[in-house]
Amino acid sequence: AQSVTQLDSHVSVSEGTPVLLRCNYSSSYSPSLFWYVQHPNKGLQLLLKYTSAATLVKGINGFEAEFKKSETSFHLTKPSAHMSDAAEYFCVVHKAAGNKLTFGGGTRVLVKP
Amino acid sequence: DAMVIQNPRYQVTQFGKPVTLSCSQTLNHNVMYWYQQKSSQAPKLLFHYYDKDFNNEADTPDNFQSRRPNTSFCFLDIRSPGLGDAAMYLCATSRKGQGNNSPLHFGNGTRLTVT
Repeated sequence: AQSVTQLDSHVSVSEGTPVLLRCNYSSSYSPSLFWYVQHPNKGLQLLLKYTSAATLVKGINGFEAEFKKSETSFHLTKPSAHMSDAAEYFCVVHKAAGNKLTFGGGTRVLVKP
Repeated sequence: DAMVIQNPRYQVTQFGKPVTLSCSQTLNHNVMYWYQQKSSQAPKLLFHYYDKDFNNEADTPDNFQSRRPNTSFCFLDIRSPGLGDAAMYLCATSRKGQGNNSPLHFGNGTRLTVT
């Protein structure tokens, strides 16, 4: 079985300051890990993915995430938040051999001017 | 641009009146998914098609059905919508290969209101 825990349901940052969204996972298999972003009334957009290549993954819009197997973590970071980063973020585990994803509970990001 | 398109963006139906939501894709992906997302929650998988093979989640109510007439289209049918079925419905696609999976590509969703 696999599971995903996003440690913060809400994160509030000021524009221009760093963003950290925390994600821990458990999986019996070598997982693929993803971060998706969802803006209001929109579908989910892929930010970045980890598929057992480089442990530091760079994504779109200045986001990056680091896979740490010893800590079973895949935290998402951005050095400088922008107002357009206000959205819901989902950490997702995808078992390599199956078709199903396991979603974390989501983290809502608020960016203050 | 290749994409996943859901129609309509907003759908209002009456309690008990059947409704169909549609999804089309130009990505030529072999897997199509339907998710239900309620407010402030993660998406919940209802079912998916791997090519023509239908895979229902164990806890998906019988009220929800799906059809995939060809690679490009997939429909979600709600036979008798209840107030609790009001949600955002998301269609997604992926390409499944030998032991690996591409990321999911999502449509913008259809927000269903039940009156």
